[in-house]
Amino acid sequence: EAGVAQSPRYKIIEKRQSVAFWCNPISGHATLYWYQQILGQGPKLLIQFQNNGVVDDSQLPKDRFSAERLKGVDSTLKIQPAKLEDSAVYLCASSLDLGFGDTQYFGPGTRLTVL
Amino acid sequence: TQLLEQSPQFLSIQEGENLTVYCNSSSVFSSLQWYRQEPGEGPVLLVTVVTGGEVKKLKRLTFQFGDARKDSSLHITAAQPGDTGLYLCAGAQNTNAGKSTFGDGTTLTVKP
Repeated sequence: EAGVAQSPRYKIIEKRQSVAFWCNPISGHATLYWYQQILGQGPKLLIQFQNNGVVDDSQLPKDRFSAERLKGVDSTLKIQPAKLEDSAVYLCASSLDLGFGDTQYFGPGTRLTVL
Repeated sequence: TQLLEQSPQFLSIQEGENLTVYCNSSSVFSSLQWYRQEPGEGPVLLVTVVTGGEVKKLKRLTFQFGDARKDSSLHITAAQPGDTGLYLCAGAQNTNAGKSTFGDGTTLTVKP
């Protein structure tokens, strides 16, 4: 079974530029998560989708971050414009359903460096 | 805000030693999960505990969920260099649609 795919793996941009990340979850997984993991910290949930609907985006900085999952499968996360403090690893995860404690499978992440 | 505090933040030991890392909160969780994350990879689930007082064993790893479901520990017996990594705990509440809150992790280094 293929895991969660993410691209690109690495991205370096200058502040105020835009960047987009792509995630393809495990086939059949209804729930998709985007996390931000700053160096030395645990993952922080940015947004959670159930199929193509948003379940939780309370910690998404909506003035600069946006995410979509149009067909309920793959998803993109965009930052526009980027700030220095956005340097982090962006992790995508998926789970079969929305049950609490449901197993989340993580992709390898995209490491973003903002100069 | 449900905070999970993990301790110690860093741990460096020799191969063969035993160790315990902790995950504490003032909040009650319906379930708690432990993950291991290696450099350049995403976290990988090790175990989920759901019952207060529950103990689960996974080879040399022993996980315990506190009676009050506010804390957990991970004990590793006879650590090996392959155990090196970032150990994260994550708590979920059944009122929160599957959302998990992660601690900041314990970075374990096992030297050969």
